[in-house]
Amino acid sequence: DGGITQSPKYLFRKEGQNVTLSCEQNLNHDAMYWYRQDPGQGLRLIYYSQIVNDFQKGDIAEGYSVSREKKESFPLTVTSAQKNPTAFYLCASTPQPRGGSEAFFGQGTRLTVV
Amino acid sequence: AQSVAQPEDQVNVAEGNPLTVKCTYSVSGNPYLFWYVQYPNRGLQFLLKYITGDNLVKGSYGFEAEFNKSQTSFHLKKPSALVSDSALYFCAVRDMNTGNQFYFGTGTSLTVIP
Repeated sequence: DGGITQSPKYLFRKEGQNVTLSCEQNLNHDAMYWYRQDPGQGLRLIYYSQIVNDFQKGDIAEGYSVSREKKESFPLTVTSAQKNPTAFYLCASTPQPRGGSEAFFGQGTRLTVV
Repeated sequence: AQSVAQPEDQVNVAEGNPLTVKCTYSVSGNPYLFWYVQYPNRGLQFLLKYITGDNLVKGSYGFEAEFNKSQTSFHLKKPSALVSDSALYFCAVRDMNTGNQFYFGTGTSLTVIP
């Protein structure tokens, strides 16, 4: 079945560690997105990529990094510079960077700092 | 600037009664509008969207929404609520002309009371 796979579902990070969240899609979509979800704040855009080897910062990119070496993969690294990383992270994709298509979402990764 | 407002954090409705979840938006151009539903610890599921044409759009699970350009609103409705409709609902907007990002509201928690 086509879709977006995020792994792991739960992730625990110690203070000062970098961690990488995986996002893979087999929908052949050009654009991919990373969102952070905190209670009462909705979804906030971290990074997005419109095409392979290109990505742009979203509203809350500080303390995060991404890469887009393959069309189907868009991993997110939460660095030690991110002061409050505990949150639910959602990856999404759309067929094209613009237009009326809805975004397709993965099942999310819940990151907790211990 | 693009933005979405969901004025109600929480909506309670009795099973079998009609439900409405409110959404207003702001974009510089013409909007693409979307509704999503989220169950606990899961990703967002697409419900419906407005692209162009008929102002009343019908979506999954009996939900519908009405686009009102003069009031810049896109309220989600269902004629008869089910307990299983209890979830978190997000409205999102994308600018038709410039939009390579989705802007999400802060979400409305819907509780259907048996």
